[in-house]
Amino acid sequence: DAGVTQSPTHLIKTRGQQVTLRCSPKSGHDTVSWYQQALGQGPQFIFQYYEEEERQRGNFPDRFSGHQFPNYSSELNVNALLLGDSALYLCASSLEPRGDEKLFFGSGTQLSVL
Amino acid sequence: QKEVEQNSGPLSVPEGAIASLNCTYSDRGSQSFFWYRQYSGKSPELIMFIYSNGDKEDGRFTAQLNKASQYVSLLIRDSQPSDSATYLCAVNEVNAGKSTFGDGTTLTVKP
Repeated sequence: DAGVTQSPTHLIKTRGQQVTLRCSPKSGHDTVSWYQQALGQGPQFIFQYYEEEERQRGNFPDRFSGHQFPNYSSELNVNALLLGDSALYLCASSLEPRGDEKLFFGSGTQLSVL
Repeated sequence: QKEVEQNSGPLSVPEGAIASLNCTYSDRGSQSFFWYRQYSGKSPELIMFIYSNGDKEDGRFTAQLNKASQYVSLLIRDSQPSDSATYLCAVNEVNAGKSTFGDGTTLTVKP
C-alpha cells in the first residue's frame, strides 16, 4: 500500500523564482492538504484540496497556489519566492474533509531560497 | 496568543518513566484532537487521536481530553529512548478541513 509520496525531496531556488512541488496521496485517500513547517515550529496550514477544488485556505498570500488532478494528486506552486519561504513543505492526505480526518504525511520537500 | 499552545520543552525523562505532554487550545468549537510524533529530519506521524472527553489508551500511550478546560494531554508510560522525538498537538474545528498545530514539545528519554 503506497503511502504519500512527494517530489522533489530537496530544492534550492533564488529569490524571485517560481517553484512547483508535487504530491501523490495515500491509496484510497481523496483529500490533499499542504503545510509549511519552518525550523522549530509546527506545521502551518496552507490549503486543502478536495474534488479538485480548494476547500479551505490558511493565512498565506496569493503567491501560494495549488491544484488537484482527477487522480487526486496535487501540486503546490509558489511564485516570486522570498527568503522567508525557506521551509519544509509537507503534503498530507486524508479521506473527505469532515473535521475529524487523520492526516498521513509525505516525507516533505525541503525548500531553500537563497 | 497562539491557537494551540504546547510546553516548548525540552522535556527529559529517564528510561522507564512516564512522560507527560500538555496542550491547550483556544477555539471552543474544536472537535477533534490529535498527537503526532516527529523524529528529527522526518515528517509527522499520527500516534493518537481523541474526540470525546476522558481518556483513550493505546498501548503505552494515553490521550486525555478535557473540553471544559480546553486541555489535551499525552502520557507515555515506560518511556523508551526510541520515544525521543518532537510531539505535535493538533486540533480540528467542526467541519473544518484544516488541522492547527502547536509548535511541539521535544522529548528526550535518557537510557
